[in-house]
Amino acid sequence: NAGVTQTPKFQVLKTGQSMTLQCAQDMNHEYMSWYRQDPGMGLRLIHYSVGAGITDQGEVPNGYNVSRSTTEDFPLRLLSAAPSQTSVYFCASSSYRGHTEAFFGQGTRLTVV
Amino acid sequence: ELKVEQNPLFLSMQEGKNYTIYCNYSTTSDRLYWYRQDPGKSLESLFVLLSNGAVKQEGRLMASLDTKARLSTLHITAAVHDLSATYFCAVDVGGADGLTFGKGTHLIIQP
Repeated sequence: NAGVTQTPKFQVLKTGQSMTLQCAQDMNHEYMSWYRQDPGMGLRLIHYSVGAGITDQGEVPNGYNVSRSTTEDFPLRLLSAAPSQTSVYFCASSSYRGHTEAFFGQGTRLTVV
Repeated sequence: ELKVEQNPLFLSMQEGKNYTIYCNYSTTSDRLYWYRQDPGKSLESLFVLLSNGAVKQEGRLMASLDTKARLSTLHITAAVHDLSATYFCAVDVGGADGLTFGKGTHLIIQP
């Protein structure tokens, strides 16, 4: 089982560039989310989705967009990258109505210069 | 706003010793999760605690949940070097807001 697959693993962007971080899960999970991890900050929720066609903002949504056209895919878009978006990004999925843990992707290490 | 506080944030200990990591949270919840993260890696689920008094054990690690005190503990028994990692607790208050994480406990176990 692939679980949660994120691409790319590493990315360097110039300030102002845009890009999309891909996330796909094969567990038929309803709930998907994006977190960013910064040193000493734990993980903070950026955006989440409770099902196809439904997305909402988390704690730190500014500068990011998401969409959920299928159950499997939940891409995260950086519209105009800024150095403050240098971070490690994790996608996660879980069974929204079940009492199970979230499964995390491998992470994307993004550097904005 | 839910706040999740872990302590200590950094712990260096010797092999063979016992220690406890604490996770306090500020809002009623009966769903708490513990994760392990190795350097440069993703988060690995360790324990799922879904009720007051829940206790789970895996090897040298044991986690418990006291929902009345809003406290979870992760106890390490006779630590070994392989347990060196960062441990996160995460709380789910049941809405659509996902998990709220503590800042993590960076654990170093020295031979």
